Amino acid sequence: NAGVTQTPKFRVLKTGQSMTLLCAQDMNHEYMYWYRQDPGMGLRLIHYSVGEGTTAKGEVPDGYNVSRLKKQNFLLGLESAAPSQTSVYFCASSSIMTANTEAFFGQGTRLTVV
Amino acid sequence: QQQVKQSPQSLIVQKGGIPIINCAYENTAFDYFPWYQQFPGKGPALLIAIRPDVSEKKEGRFTISFNKSAKQFSLHIMDSQPGDSATYFCAASMRGGGADGLTFGKGTHLIIQP
Repeated sequence: NAGVTQTPKFRVLKTGQSMTLLCAQDMNHEYMYWYRQDPGMGLRLIHYSVGEGTTAKGEVPDGYNVSRLKKQNFLLGLESAAPSQTSVYFCASSSIMTANTEAFFGQGTRLTVV
Repeated sequence: QQQVKQSPQSLIVQKGGIPIINCAYENTAFDYFPWYQQFPGKGPALLIAIRPDVSEKKEGRFTISFNKSAKQFSLHIMDSQPGDSATYFCAASMRGGGADGLTFGKGTHLIIQP
């Protein structure tokens, strides 16, 4: 049981380039989330999804787009990367049925924009 | 607007001591308060969580104390061990913890000295 898997684990982009981060979960969870983690800032919610085909904006959505075409996958896109998007990105998922609503996190993607 | 304030930013405790990490929230609609533990290079993992209908919850050496009127909650680690050295995040969410995602504090870097 892999849980939440993020691809890639590391990436360096030049300013203006685009890329897509992939998150896959094998727990049949309804909810999926993308967070970014910056030093001294904690984790901040970028976008989230409550089900296949639905997405919503979180606290810091600007510069990012997401898609959830399949229940198990949640993609985060950067159309034109900026140095301010240098961060560690975490995907998480949770089940609507879990009493404690625990969110399971992936290992993270370290992105550097130069 | 920081909805969950966490302190201290860093904490050093001798083995066997009781580190205490405090959090305060502003939004009275929050109804789920988890603590996450993160080791370097890893994603956060749920440690313990509480709902506002109880004032204290214990799981092993970890205890959450919750003060609804003061809008504060704290994490206590009994008989702390060097293996507890990690970054700890408090968080809060509405609607039972799912759907809308988590609002995190900025984190506390805890070091337990042997």
